[in-house]
Amino acid sequence: AQTVTQSQPEMSVQEAETVTLSCTYDTSESNYYLFWYKQPPSRQMILVIRQEAYKQQNATENRFSVNFQKAAKSFSLKISDSQLGDTAMYFCAFNPSGSRLTFGEGTQLTVNP
Amino acid sequence: GAVVSQHPSWVICKSGTSVKIECRSLDFQATTMFWYRQFPKQSLMLMATSNEGSKATYEQGVEKDKFLINHASLTLSTLTVTSAHPEDSSFYICSARGEGGKSTDTQYFGPGTRLTVL
Repeated sequence: AQTVTQSQPEMSVQEAETVTLSCTYDTSESNYYLFWYKQPPSRQMILVIRQEAYKQQNATENRFSVNFQKAAKSFSLKISDSQLGDTAMYFCAFNPSGSRLTFGEGTQLTVNP
Repeated sequence: GAVVSQHPSWVICKSGTSVKIECRSLDFQATTMFWYRQFPKQSLMLMATSNEGSKATYEQGVEKDKFLINHASLTLSTLTVTSAHPEDSSFYICSARGEGGKSTDTQYFGPGTRLTVL
């Protein structure tokens, strides 16, 4: 069975600083996708970033980037120049091709002014 | 692109009544839709997966007769909570996955529906 582990239930960061959220997963699949979603207080799930396992290059989306270590089964999210609007619950998710998402338990990130 | 709407955003109903929640993909065709339930400060729990024109596949422990799912078109799926009870009160979220490009491998989520059963 696939599992996703987010070991940091809560984190905080000062505005404009950089923060890294960790995520590890366990799978025997070789082809899959990894995602980070954010869920702000509105509870709308928003896609932050997507990584295809067969791509060695780490995905980036503006201030958001990942450190994908396939051998270590690690998929951390780095948020640069943190903004107050980044305050949210962040979920790491794993998706074998064509299958369903497995979510981690989430990390509550608070950006302080 | 890849916008999913959900209606209603919140609903209050009396115990024993049924409630229908709609999930629509607005700018892409959703071959697969998913229904999740989320309790406060917890992760999302998958309830069922539905493919257009087919019967939904329910996760273990989810009562298919209580949570009726219909995916009649490529843009619409509905979840009906039948004979609702207070323990059904929760936040229900749908997501959609479609054809072509990134939407094939990525689920896009609706804004959720807060159900309160009195």
